[in-house]
Amino acid sequence: DVKVTQSSRYLVKRTGEKVFLECVQDMDHENMFWYRQDPGLGLRLIYFSYDVKMKEKGDIPEGYSVSREKKERFSLILESASTNQTSMYLCASSLGSYNSPLHFGNGTRLTVT
Amino acid sequence: DAKTTQPPSMDCAEGRAANLPCNHSTISGNEYVYWYRQIHSQGPQYIIHGLKNNETNEMASLIITEDRKSSTLILPHATLRDTAVYYCIVRAVTTSGTYKYIFGTGTRLKVLA
Repeated sequence: DVKVTQSSRYLVKRTGEKVFLECVQDMDHENMFWYRQDPGLGLRLIYFSYDVKMKEKGDIPEGYSVSREKKERFSLILESASTNQTSMYLCASSLGSYNSPLHFGNGTRLTVT
Repeated sequence: DAKTTQPPSMDCAEGRAANLPCNHSTISGNEYVYWYRQIHSQGPQYIIHGLKNNETNEMASLIITEDRKSSTLILPHATLRDTAVYYCIVRAVTTSGTYKYIFGTGTRLKVLA
């Protein structure tokens, strides 16, 4: 089974802090994704990566950046955390083939105070 | 980008079939339809996907209309453990030729004892 592991289940940070959310997958997947999930808004795509060192903006990239130095690891960075970034963050991965489904981690609930 | 529309909530009696509809009227010819479900506090779990033919696996069946503008996920014998939020999503090709998955807000299915 594919395993997507997010480093923290719960995280509390202060406004202005730099925050790193880490995600690791163990199935050699080419594609990795970061979503945030908020009540009433569903899942919204922040950034995704289809190869090492490659990245593409999703629908809501403002205030975020990403890093993918190794194939198995995809990091989401909040350069200066703000309270409106309090949310559930979900990482996912997929093979690069045309119809490959996404596999999700269990999420990181980030609270910015 | 193709979008999906789902009813916000549905109830189903335990042991009966749960039929969850999804409208994706702007889907284009090469876009797949995927279904996921999310149980509280977990990441979304892949259920099934299809392009234009009906599909079945051990979890569910997927019926896609001939014009591909809508689909129905069928859980043949719903159990209490099927209570979850169900997402119908479309995978779209980006301008750079990569893929992204577009989530809506899902249907909250409640299976009643």
